[in-house]
Amino acid sequence: GENVEQHPSTLSVQEGDSAVIKCTYSDSASNYFPWYKQELGKRPQLIIDIRSNVGEKKDQRIAVTLNKTAKHFSLHITETQPEDSAVYFCAASRVGGYNKLIFGAGTRLAVHP
Amino acid sequence: DTEVTQTPKHLVMGMTNKKSLKCEQHMGHRAMYWYKQKAKKPPELMFVYSYEKLSINESVPSRFSPECPNSSLLNLHLHALQPEDSALYLCASSPSGQGNYGYTFGSGTRLTVV
Repeated sequence: GENVEQHPSTLSVQEGDSAVIKCTYSDSASNYFPWYKQELGKRPQLIIDIRSNVGEKKDQRIAVTLNKTAKHFSLHITETQPEDSAVYFCAASRVGGYNKLIFGAGTRLAVHP
Repeated sequence: DTEVTQTPKHLVMGMTNKKSLKCEQHMGHRAMYWYKQKAKKPPELMFVYSYEKLSINESVPSRFSPECPNSSLLNLHLHALQPEDSALYLCASSPSGQGNYGYTFGSGTRLTVV
């Protein structure tokens, strides 16, 4: 089955710096890669996603890149703000897999003022 | 309505109790999911319902019993749980059980088994 590895497990940056979180997946049939943000005590919320027919996608300060050959994808947050502090999860699902999302272990991002 | 509503928000139950978790969405989504999340861990898939039929059961113990009465509702019946079952139980929905879509998660039920 699919396995998603996520690094780093913790990330500490200064406000205004950029943050990058990386994930690798094992199933070459996976074709959908969402990213979720989970604040303490709250639900995971979808912040951006990318499909395998696209190499990069941007939404304001957030971008995701996908390298299908290497089977890895990354989340980039620019101009970080304290409110970006949360746990970020990457995930992957494959075609015809009943939309079964497999999550990475998570990255705890701390943005210091 | 763009939310998934879960009740109760908190639940404390004994190992001999029977309780149910409820989940509701009115977005017209046809796939619904139960995930279990332990502290500082990612969500782990338990069950997938697609078009009101159980599509995936990730070898979850029989003390957890899902039910999908209709396309808007998803229940999780709990019986004879163990302390290690204490966790945040998340319900999610997506437009379809086929293809790939992001989930909308509910706020979860924080379950404590004593």
